Amino acid sequence: AQSVTQLGSHVSVSEGALVLLRCNYSSSVPPYLFWYVQYPNQGLQLLLKYTTGATLVKGINGFEAEFKKSETSFHLTKPSAHMSDAAEYFCAVSGIGNQFYFGTGTSLTVIP
Amino acid sequence: NAGVTQTPKFQVLKTGQSMTLQCAQDMNHNSMYWYRQDPGMGLRLIYYSASEGTTDKGEVPNGYNVSRLNKREFSLRLESAAPSQTSVYFCASRKASGNTIYFGEGSWLTVV
Repeated sequence: AQSVTQLGSHVSVSEGALVLLRCNYSSSVPPYLFWYVQYPNQGLQLLLKYTTGATLVKGINGFEAEFKKSETSFHLTKPSAHMSDAAEYFCAVSGIGNQFYFGTGTSLTVIP
Repeated sequence: NAGVTQTPKFQVLKTGQSMTLQCAQDMNHNSMYWYRQDPGMGLRLIYYSASEGTTDKGEVPNGYNVSRLNKREFSLRLESAAPSQTSVYFCASRKASGNTIYFGEGSWLTVV
């Protein structure tokens, strides 16, 4: 069985500051891990994903995430926040089967 | 490139009415999903279809039925709508296990 926990339902950062959104997963098999972003009144868009290989994954819009098996974590970071980064972010995990589990989401606010 | 298309985008129902949400994908994906999104609860899986001709329950299937009409289409039916089914519904699809899941734009359903 797989599950995802996102720590912090709301995160606020100043424009230009580091963005850190936390995600921990539980999986009985090697996981596939994803981060999605959702802008208001829209569907979810893929930011980045980890399947196999390099544990530091780079995504769109300057975001990256590192897969740490020992910590069962897949935290999302961006060195410098922009106003356009304000959105809801979802971490997700998928195993060998067909189910795809999402965390409860983290709402990111960027303060000018 | 349409991707995943959902209809209708907005719907208001009275308690006890029935309706069907339609979903179609043009990416030749094998698996299709229906999620509901509620504030503070993230996305919860209602039903999924691993391949044409198969459907399986997700986390919150009660009150819903699905049909995988063919490889392209996966519909979600509310037989007797209840206010608790007021939500945003997302259809999604992906090619296979481990692959990225792609979302439609969402259907906003209000049951009064």
